Amino acid sequence: QKEVEQNSGPLSVPEGAIASLNCTYSDRVSQSFFWYRQYSGKSPELIMSIYSNGDKEDGRFTAQLNKASQYVSLLIRDSQPSDSATYLCAVSNTNAGKSTFGDGTTLTVKP
Amino acid sequence: KAGVTQTPRYLIKTRGQQVTLSCSPISGHRSVSWYQQTPGQGLQFLFEYFSETQRNKGNFPGRFSGRQFSNSRSEMNVSTLELGDSALYLCASKSGTGSEKLFFGSGTQLSVL
Repeated sequence: QKEVEQNSGPLSVPEGAIASLNCTYSDRVSQSFFWYRQYSGKSPELIMSIYSNGDKEDGRFTAQLNKASQYVSLLIRDSQPSDSATYLCAVSNTNAGKSTFGDGTTLTVKP
Repeated sequence: KAGVTQTPRYLIKTRGQQVTLSCSPISGHRSVSWYQQTPGQGLQFLFEYFSETQRNKGNFPGRFSGRQFSNSRSEMNVSTLELGDSALYLCASKSGTGSEKLFFGSGTQLSVL
């Protein structure tokens, strides 16, 4: 079992729809959870971080964390073609000092 | 604030050669992490340096090594290159004071022929 698993994708949604990206993790002592966006040919860019159970909203993005279920999700509302990218879920244990990444979910938003 | 600077952007090497990649973190950041990204394996953690000391290490062979200088700049070295070392090598900067937020450089695309 991989330490961080993401829905395999690719995921395609029409412009204006909600895109839902999911991630599960295996290390129960994980403390920090991140979503990175990676455009084709570019490096990953941090878009959301979440540390406690519940929802965290930032503009059109909402991250959700459920530590009991070891589950993190990212919702993108009013999806735009510019949101088309690979989204990487990352989980970190401060004691380990590293982030473990999922394989990513590729999102395509169709005009 | 300047971002993370990685050089070179592209490298082509042949099997058996060695290579050195360079990374300058965001000013004030004391931690530098290195990741390897391939289509098949995704992003894999290589190692992290903090205050010139290797703080964490991933599951890579000893051919992969690194160091950090007093100005926080870091280098990564791969010796005896193999075809499978072809990848995008990403350097990431973090403050090193408890935050695990990573700020990535543009990466070095290494091709081993």
